Amino acid sequence: GQQVMQIPQYQHVQEGEDFTTYCNSSTTLSNIQWYKQRPGGHPVFLIQLVKSGEVKKQKRLTFQFGEAKKNSSLHITATQTTDVGTYFCAGVGGTSYGKLTFGQGTILTVHP
Amino acid sequence: NAGVTQTPKFQVLKTGQSMTLQCAQDMNHNSMYWYRQDPGMGLRLIYYSASEGTTDKGEVPNGYNVSRLNKREFSLRLESAAPSQTSVYFCASTQGLASYEQYFGPGTRLTVT
Repeated sequence: GQQVMQIPQYQHVQEGEDFTTYCNSSTTLSNIQWYKQRPGGHPVFLIQLVKSGEVKKQKRLTFQFGEAKKNSSLHITATQTTDVGTYFCAGVGGTSYGKLTFGQGTILTVHP
Repeated sequence: NAGVTQTPKFQVLKTGQSMTLQCAQDMNHNSMYWYRQDPGMGLRLIYYSASEGTTDKGEVPNGYNVSRLNKREFSLRLESAAPSQTSVYFCASTQGLASYEQYFGPGTRLTVT
């Protein structure tokens, strides 16, 4: 079945440093979504990428979808303590039509 | 609008007991999902319902059953709970299948002793 691998599993940064998490799929994806989960909370949708090579920005967050539609990244510029949480990528593709396959998530800690 | 609601928030069961987790959404969404979240493993799909009247297995369906009671409600049943089912369970809904953002409920934290 489809697998989505996400690295790193943990990232500790000082406030103001940048942060990047990477997502790789074993199969070509039709689209990829990113979610954020605050500690003790539930996942909240951030963005969806559909096109090959697509780049989208939300304030300090930059999302990229690879040319081959098998990888994606989320980059946060100048992290803030409000960025703390777990970031998940979730892809749709191959035989998993209609279902999202989630990566393991990256837990981000920001030290003030 | 309440969005997606789940009951209960917390539950402790003994091995072999049964229970039903309830989920409801008020967004008129067609598709609903049940996930479990375990440390270091992300969210894994248990069952989903693409539309009212249909249900399909996800990645980890063993030990669970579901019912799409109507368009609003999607329940998850554990017939004979096992310690391996200790987890946080999330219900989610979306307008259609996975091309649309999923809205998650607050989760049910289940412990099986």
